[in-house]
Amino acid sequence: QVQLQESGPGLVKPSGTLSLICDVSGDSISGSSWWSWVRQPPGKGLEWIGEIYHSGNTNYNPSLKNRVTMSVDKSNNQVSLKLTSVTAADTAVYYCARVARSGAYYGMDVWGQGTTVTVSS
Amino acid sequence: DIQMTQSPSSLSASVGDRITITCRASQSVTTYLNWFQQKPGRAPNLLIYAASSLQSGVPSRFSGSGSGTDFTLTISSLQPEDFATYYCQQTYKTPQTFGLGTTVDIK
Repeated sequence: QVQLQESGPGLVKPSGTLSLICDVSGDSISGSSWWSWVRQPPGKGLEWIGEIYHSGNTNYNPSLKNRVTMSVDKSNNQVSLKLTSVTAADTAVYYCARVARSGAYYGMDVWGQGTTVTVSS
Repeated sequence: DIQMTQSPSSLSASVGDRITITCRASQSVTTYLNWFQQKPGRAPNLLIYAASSLQSGVPSRFSGSGSGTDFTLTISSLQPEDFATYYCQQTYKTPQTFGLGTTVDIK
């Protein structure tokens, strides 16, 4: 079955760059799905960060302004997330998810287990 | 951004109860509305997409309805494994946005 696994440093210093990788197995990132990132601050709700297609097309949350970059690594079947100039407000569990489509509709149907990132000096 | 407002923010219910959670969008999202279930320490799980379509593998006691700005998620007979937090999400406009969640706990 399709599995996603996030990985990356659990601790990032303020003003630094958060870098995460999502390993995809059981599906090709070069297929018809988009791949998204969602985060959840401790004790809070979900925030959509953005999504990427294997062509490199992206949609980002404007609230993250110019701090976010997503990319795909087709050879390793991975998706990556970079978030620059981090602050304590970026402390969260970060999830990657597959975006499945049914006609014009779509939803995040497979999720990774999430990885906790803490921003602290 | 489209604001998603869920009510109630929490509710207490018993096994076997029928419960309904409401989600209201700040503008029309037609039927671009999804529902997720999340249990503590776990990733969200897609229950309903396109406002009323049941995701594969999700029990039929879950149902969704609505269009435009007003939506509901109904659990027809609450089971022990259904005690969790539920989120609505609109995918009509970027950025996609979620409601703040409704926590269902045991009465």
